[in-house]
Amino acid sequence: GDSVTQMEGPVTLSEEAFLTINCTYTATGYPSLFWYVQYPGEGLQLLLKATKADDKGSNKGFEATYRKETTSFHLEKGSVQVSDSAVYFCALSDAQGAQKLVFGQGTRLTINP
Amino acid sequence: DTGVSQDPRHKITKRGQNVTFRCDPISEHNRLYWYRQTLGQGPEFLTYFQNEAQLEKSRLLSDRFSAERPKGSFSTLEIQRTEQGDSAMYLCASSLGSGGAYGYTFGSGTRLTVV
Repeated sequence: GDSVTQMEGPVTLSEEAFLTINCTYTATGYPSLFWYVQYPGEGLQLLLKATKADDKGSNKGFEATYRKETTSFHLEKGSVQVSDSAVYFCALSDAQGAQKLVFGQGTRLTINP
Repeated sequence: DTGVSQDPRHKITKRGQNVTFRCDPISEHNRLYWYRQTLGQGPEFLTYFQNEAQLEKSRLLSDRFSAERPKGSFSTLEIQRTEQGDSAMYLCASSLGSGGAYGYTFGSGTRLTVV
């Protein structure tokens, strides 16, 4: 079945550092890809998405590009802030049927001032 | 519309009791999903409704679990004879048509603790 693999966490960076969180996927068909963010005690918030190969999703300084040839959707940000501390989930939605989300295990990010 | 609402936010119950959670999706969204998230893990799909029809259920949804969406509006998830392994965050999400194209909106979740 479909699956998503994220880089192991936790990740700790200093403010203004460059961020990359790796995400690769396995899927049949052509899924849509997502990054969600979860703050403590909260549900999931959509950060960005891409629906087809070579699409770039972007939001709040975060970017990710749908790479079909490497089955990847890595999350990047050029200069992180303390407020970016959260858990980040990569996910795909299957292309047919329920189009349910399949999530990676999450990466906890901590930004120190 | 204030987004997807879930009630209660927290529930503590004794093992063997029944619990019911409610989800109110965004009003025009026809698709509704339930997920379960255990500590340190990503959410896992439980079940999916399109309008009032329950169209897919995960093997995680044992016969102690039942979900309904009467009239295609709010949804309830009931767990009978709760076990300690049911302790988790239960998340509801909704979408208008294809979530892949338009996105999914999540509620804040119901955190269940079985003691």
